Amino acid sequence: KAGVTQTPRYLIKTRGQQVTLSCSPISGHRSVSWYQQTPGQGLQFLFEYFSETQRNKGNFPGRFSGRQFSNSRSEMNVSTLELGDSALYLCASSWDGTGYTGELFFGEGSRLTVL
Amino acid sequence: KNEVEQSPQNLTAQEEEFITINCSYSVGISALHWLQQHPGGGIVSLFMLSSGKKKHGRLIATINIQEKHSSLHITASHPRDSAVYICAVRGADGLTFGKGTHLIIQP
Repeated sequence: KAGVTQTPRYLIKTRGQQVTLSCSPISGHRSVSWYQQTPGQGLQFLFEYFSETQRNKGNFPGRFSGRQFSNSRSEMNVSTLELGDSALYLCASSWDGTGYTGELFFGEGSRLTVL
Repeated sequence: KNEVEQSPQNLTAQEEEFITINCSYSVGISALHWLQQHPGGGIVSLFMLSSGKKKHGRLIATINIQEKHSSLHITASHPRDSAVYICAVRGADGLTFGKGTHLIIQP
C-alpha cells in the first residue's frame, strides 16, 4: 500500500506570492491533517479534514487555507507569503473509522523557502 | 488551549540504558500520540494511546488520564534509537505538540 504522498517536496517562493501544496493520503483513509514545523515553534497544527469537511483549524491567519476533495486528496494554500512562512509542511492521514482517535501516517513533507 | 510539556528536552545515554521520556498536558484529551523523527527524516507514529499501556518491541508507552501524564520507555537502547521523540495530544481543537525530546544513544 502506498504511503502518504506530498508534492512538491521542495519549493522556493518570494514574499507576496502564493503557494499550493498537495497531499494524497493512504488509500482508504478519509482524514487528512496538516502541520507546520519550524525550528523555533516546532510542530503546529494547521487544519484537519474528514470527508471533505474541515473539522478543526489551528491558530493560523486566514492566509492559510485548505480543502479536501471527494477522493480524500487534500490541498493547502498559503497566500501573500511572508518570510516567516518558511517551514516544513507535513500532512498526515488516518482512517478515523472510530471518530477522532486515529493513528497518524505522515508524509515526507513539503519544504517551503520564502525569499 | 492545551499545554504540553515534555521532559527532558535533551538526553544523552549509553547503549543498553533504560530510557524514559515524559509528557504532561493541561486539559483532558481523547488520545495521545508518541512520534519519532530522525534527523532529516519523516515522522513515524510510535503509539496512539487513550488509556493504559502499549508495548511494541523495546518500546513501551503508558498514560495516566487522571494525572494527565504519559511516559515513553525504551528498553535496551541502541544508537539507532537516536531521534527526536514528540508527544502530541488530541483535544477538542485538534492536535497540540510538545517541543520534543532530543535523544542520543552513544555506543
